[in-house]
Order: sequence, then structure tokens, then C-alpha cells
Amino acid sequence: EPEVTQTPSHQVTQMGQEVILRCVPISNHLYFYWYRQILGQKVEFLVSFYNNEISEKSEIFDDQFSVERPDGSNFTLKIRSTKLEDSAMYFCASSARRGPYEQYFGPGTRLTVT
Amino acid sequence: QQQVKQSPQSLIVQKGGIPIINCAYENTAFDYFPWYQQFPGKGPALLIAIRPDVSEKKEGRFTISFNKSAKQFSLHIMDSQPGDSATYFCAARIGSGGGADGLTFGKGTHLIIQP
Repeated sequence: EPEVTQTPSHQVTQMGQEVILRCVPISNHLYFYWYRQILGQKVEFLVSFYNNEISEKSEIFDDQFSVERPDGSNFTLKIRSTKLEDSAMYFCASSARRGPYEQYFGPGTRLTVT
Repeated sequence: QQQVKQSPQSLIVQKGGIPIINCAYENTAFDYFPWYQQFPGKGPALLIAIRPDVSEKKEGRFTISFNKSAKQFSLHIMDSQPGDSATYFCAARIGSGGGADGLTFGKGTHLIIQP
């Protein structure tokens, strides 16, 4: 069964450093998302992406964040200058169709900022 | 307005029992309500989802009940098993005419099924 994959599974970085989290969505999906989950808390929406541009973003997704689909398979989230409060699990998700349809999540990348 | 309120925060049920997890919302623009199951260290896995034009949906041992007038929906797990022990999240999506919209999640319910 097709699944969303994410790399790395765990990333440790120092405050102020740039990180890039990578995702490979399900191959025939067209809509891509990033979410984060701070330890013990709920999953929070960051950004959605379609047709090579951002469709929607939350208040969390400020100028420190950016997303890119550099090729036909990868979808990346970049954090330019990490802060301690960026420590969280970051989940990529994808969906096949526009509208109220299923979003499938990857296993996540645990980002630890020291 | 954008929130989805989930309860209870934690739940312990004996094997074979029927845990019920409830969610409530205010925003009538929500048009899609999925439930996700999450095991420790894993990503949320889609369990079952419902749209507001139906009042109930069953998939295997999982049932969503939806009350549009009360703006509430709930997850029932029939014949619960220890393997169902996980955190369950309800979520909702705002229909906006076709955009790739993010999900708003509840705070989660930590469910333990005792053998």
C-alpha cells in the first residue's frame, strides 16, 4: 500500500541553524501538507501546497518557514533559523483530490533544537 | 470558531467494551470530519471519516455518529481490544470551494483497553 515517507526520522540542530525536512508524498497525490505536533499536544496545521504554490498557511507558518517541491517526488519544509520552540514532530501529509477527502500522514520527523 | 473540542482527555475501558470519544465544533463551515489513530512515535493514521450529509458511518469495528444540529460527532469502537490502545484525534476541515485546506485537530484522547 502506498505511503508517505519522511526523512530524517530524527534531526538534532542548534538554535539558529537552518533545517530541511523532506517528504515523499504518495505518488499520484496532488495536494501536500505540513503539520507539527509539540510533544503531548495536538496536531497543528502549518501549510498546504498545490500546483507549486502555497494554498493556505496558518499563523504558525511565519517567514522562518518555507516549502518547496524541488522535483516530481519530494516536498520539503525549511526552517531558516530554528528556535527552541520549533522542537516538535513534523508530519507531512498528502491527498489525492481537492476538497473534503482523506489526508494520509507520514511517520514524522522529530526535530530537536538545542 | 476554528476549534474542535474533544473529550475525554483519557479513557480506560475493559476489553470488549465500547469506548466513546466525543467532539464538538462551532464553525458550520466545517464539511469533513475524520478520525485519526496515533500510536507512540508514529504519524496519525486515518481511521474513518464522515461528511455532514450522513448521520452515521461504520467501518469494521469503528462507527462515527454525527449530529449536525448539535454540532457534535463521536467515535465508537465496538468489541475493543488491547491493540486499540492509542491516542485518537478528531479533526475537521473547512470547505472553501475546493482549496487544499488544512485540518483542525482536537486535543486527542488517550485510550487504554485493559485485557
